[in-house]
Amino acid sequence: NAGVTQTPKFRVLKTGQSMTLLCAQDMNHEYMYWYRQDPGMGLRLIHYSVGEGTTAKGEVPDGYNVSRLKKQNFLLGLESAAPSQTSVYFCASRVARPSYNEQFFGPGTRLTVL
Amino acid sequence: AQTVTQSQPEMSVQEAETVTLSCTYDTSESDYYLFWYKQPPSRQMILVIRQEAYKQQNATENRFSVNFQKAAKSFSLKISDSQLGDAAMYFCAYKTGQGAQKLVFGQGTRLTINP
Repeated sequence: NAGVTQTPKFRVLKTGQSMTLLCAQDMNHEYMYWYRQDPGMGLRLIHYSVGEGTTAKGEVPDGYNVSRLKKQNFLLGLESAAPSQTSVYFCASRVARPSYNEQFFGPGTRLTVL
Repeated sequence: AQTVTQSQPEMSVQEAETVTLSCTYDTSESDYYLFWYKQPPSRQMILVIRQEAYKQQNATENRFSVNFQKAAKSFSLKISDSQLGDAAMYFCAYKTGQGAQKLVFGQGTRLTINP
């Protein structure tokens, strides 16, 4: 099992450019999540999905869109990148039950917006 | 909304000694779970230990144990016999037992191990 993988690992964008981050998991997990990590602030939830074709907003959704067309993939899109979106982005997944199971994280994507 | 607070931005400990990392949380729910995650320089988030709120017994995993004080909403992590490989950022996280079961993270504590 590869677990949770993220593509790309690093990216530099100019303000106003767009890009898509891909998260893939091979564990047949129902739930998937996108977080961002900024210095001194821990991880904050951007969007999440409880199943194929469903998405919902998290704590900091503005400026991002997501899609879950296939159960194993969760895409995070930036339509018009801003310097405030410079961050490390983490994807995570987990099974729906039992509740005590943890989230499994990908290795992260470091995004810099100039 | 639930909040998680880690009041120690940085901690250091001598190798082989014991260190305790603090975490407090705020919630009105009765069904929830608490986690400690480790993030080494590789950035990979690694689960260290978990605690179910309905269990009174404190969780232990080898050198790692927690002190779960439900009434005080406190969830500290104790690392015994600290090793150089324990150096990392440690995040406390809260998860509701209902719905999408999202994680709420604390700000993190950077742990340094002195040889």
